[in-house]
Amino acid sequence: GAGVSQSPSNKVTEKGKDVELRCDPISGHTALYWYRQSLGQGLEFLIYFQGNSAPDKSGLPSDRFSAERTGGSVSTLTIQRTQQEDSAVYLCASSLVSGSSDTQYFGPGTRLTVL
Amino acid sequence: AQRVTQPEKLLSVFKGAPVELKCNYSYSGSPELFWYVQYSRQRLQLLLRHISRESIKGFTADLNKGETSFHLKKPFAQEEDSAMYYCALSSYNTDKLIFGTGTRLQVFP
Repeated sequence: GAGVSQSPSNKVTEKGKDVELRCDPISGHTALYWYRQSLGQGLEFLIYFQGNSAPDKSGLPSDRFSAERTGGSVSTLTIQRTQQEDSAVYLCASSLVSGSSDTQYFGPGTRLTVL
Repeated sequence: AQRVTQPEKLLSVFKGAPVELKCNYSYSGSPELFWYVQYSRQRLQLLLRHISRESIKGFTADLNKGETSFHLKKPFAQEEDSAMYYCALSSYNTDKLIFGTGTRLQVFP
């Protein structure tokens, strides 16, 4: 079956604009994660969903960032009033169930460039 | 605070040489440790986890709780091992992964 997919693969936007990034997890996976990969920063956790609820939003860097998940499947990460420091690769991952022992499968990422 | 440290940004070796990618962590409880790998133009994927105690593609990693380390080793590097390697930590009460900054391994012919 298909793996985790993300769209768009690349997004270039102007400072101050809003962007939406989409993640389609592997079918049947109940847990979904968003991470951000910035140059020189490694990967940092943003938010985690179990079903449609988000028990852990601790990694969202500011209130300009929000995410939702509907139908226990697709998730959208929204960044409002983008800033240049938001430029990064945004990765989505899903796992069959939540819990540290379950493998997270990653999507290809969305490369966001804020001019 | 939970933290993963990978001190080397770049590790270059010749084919057939041994490889050790270092990873140290800080965590007060009992963590689970992972190594993820990202080959050129491919997505991030799990290489191995300490709980499985398995060897994948010739790589092994042993969790040393005394030294809080989880170094990745391979006795004879191959050119196809060239990639970005990330050490990561999770725990029973934290579903998220905490990653190190990664080490780029270059294996020359």
